[in-house]
Amino acid sequence: QQPVQSPQAVILREGEDAVINCSSSKALYSVHWYRQKHGEAPVFLMILLKGGEQKGHEKISASFNEKKQQSSLYLTASQLSYSGTYFCGTGGQGGSEKLVFGKGTKLTVNP
Amino acid sequence: NAGVTQTPKFRVLKTGQSMTLLCAQDMNHEYMYWYRQDPGMGLRLIHYSVGEGTTAKGEVPDGYNVSRLKKQNFLLGLESAAPSQTSVYFCASSSLGPSSEQFFGPGTRLTVL
Repeated sequence: QQPVQSPQAVILREGEDAVINCSSSKALYSVHWYRQKHGEAPVFLMILLKGGEQKGHEKISASFNEKKQQSSLYLTASQLSYSGTYFCGTGGQGGSEKLVFGKGTKLTVNP
Repeated sequence: NAGVTQTPKFRVLKTGQSMTLLCAQDMNHEYMYWYRQDPGMGLRLIHYSVGEGTTAKGEVPDGYNVSRLKKQNFLLGLESAAPSQTSVYFCASSSLGPSSEQFFGPGTRLTVL
């Protein structure tokens, strides 16, 4: 089942902060975050795994609440280059080999 | 190290025509995936593979077939294209499935008239 992302869109001024949320109705094993710029392929940002392990870029932070089946991506001191659409992808338990992606959150950072 | 490549980048088909999209990766990854992306829908999984010679259905497999005869290649076929298959198609690969990042190819923009 597709995870739900919120908000659908957000507009910031350079230097402001934003939080993007991802929630699932199923128990999660992993949450992935990707950013996609217009006309380009999605690019990996971070993975959060059940049990607390995280892998990703140093400047990106995120949280994973296993009980609530939710993850949040924190974008602080935003830069113009942060603009794009952010997708979360969730991997369930039981040995599932695939991710299910949300519909995305469009982030626009203005000067 | 080219990463994930896709061929072709653009294609226009007429309804009923067939075609094959090729995805190649040079990272020795076991897992490979085909997604389609439509406006406002996110990335939807068509088919995937967990190793050479294996394939499995994703969320939206109808109208598509796949093959993974070699570890580095994953082919997506459309036997009889329909306008509803107009989309951007992305291939991705990963080493450890849900535990590792997915590397995406540049995409193929397909239009079916």
